Amino acid sequence: NAGVTQTPKFQVLKTGQSMTLQCAQDMNHNSMYWYRQDPGMGLRLIYYSASEGTTDKGEVPNGYNVSRLNKREFSLRLESAAPSQTSVYFCASSEGGRGKLGYTFGSGTRLTVV
Amino acid sequence: DQQVKQNSPSLSVQEGRISILNCDYTNSMFDYFLWYKKYPAEGPTFLISISSIKDKNEDGRFTVFLNKSAKHLSLHIVPSQPGDSAVYFCAASGVGGSQGNLIFGKGTKLSVKP
Repeated sequence: NAGVTQTPKFQVLKTGQSMTLQCAQDMNHNSMYWYRQDPGMGLRLIYYSASEGTTDKGEVPNGYNVSRLNKREFSLRLESAAPSQTSVYFCASSEGGRGKLGYTFGSGTRLTVV
Repeated sequence: DQQVKQNSPSLSVQEGRISILNCDYTNSMFDYFLWYKKYPAEGPTFLISISSIKDKNEDGRFTVFLNKSAKHLSLHIVPSQPGDSAVYFCAASGVGGSQGNLIFGKGTKLSVKP
C-alpha cells in the first residue's frame, strides 16, 4: 500500500523552464491537495481538488496550474519557473474536504529554481 | 492574516519530561483541529485530532486540549522520547466549501534531549 506517491523527489530548474510535478494516491480518496512548505512559513495550500473533475485555488495559486487527471492523479504544473518557487512541494489526499480523517501526505518534491 | 498561529518556533525538552506545544486560532468557524508530525525529508503524518464538541482527546502518550473560549489548543506529550524530535504542525478546518480544507500553522520544532 503506497499511499501518496510523488515524483520526482528532487528537481533543479532554470528560471523560465516548465515542469509538472506528479502525484498519485491508491486509497480511493476523493480529495487531493498541493501544498508548498517554505522555511518559517509552514504549509500553504496552492490548489485543491475536492472531487474528480473539480479544481480550486488555494492560498498561493499564482504561477501554478493543476490537473485532476482521474480520481488517483493530481498534477501540478509550473509553466515558467521563478526563483520564488523554490520550495518543497507536498501532495496530499483525504476522503473528503472536511479533513475529519486527516490528510495523507506524500514524501515531497524538493524544487530549486536557479 | 494568519488564522492558525504557532508562536514558538522551537522547544527543547529533556527525555522523560512533558512537552507542551501550543496553537492559537482566530477563525471562529473552525470546528476540527489536528496535529501533524514531520521528520526531515518526509511528508507530515497525522498524529491526533479533536472536534470542537470535545475539550480533550487522548491517544497513548499524546493528549490534545481545546479551549474554545480562548481559541487555543495544546498538544501534550508525556513522557517525551528522543524519537519525538520533529516539527509539529497544528491545523484547523471549518464548515462549508473551502473552509473544509486544512489551514496549517508555521510549525514548532521539538527537540527531546537524552
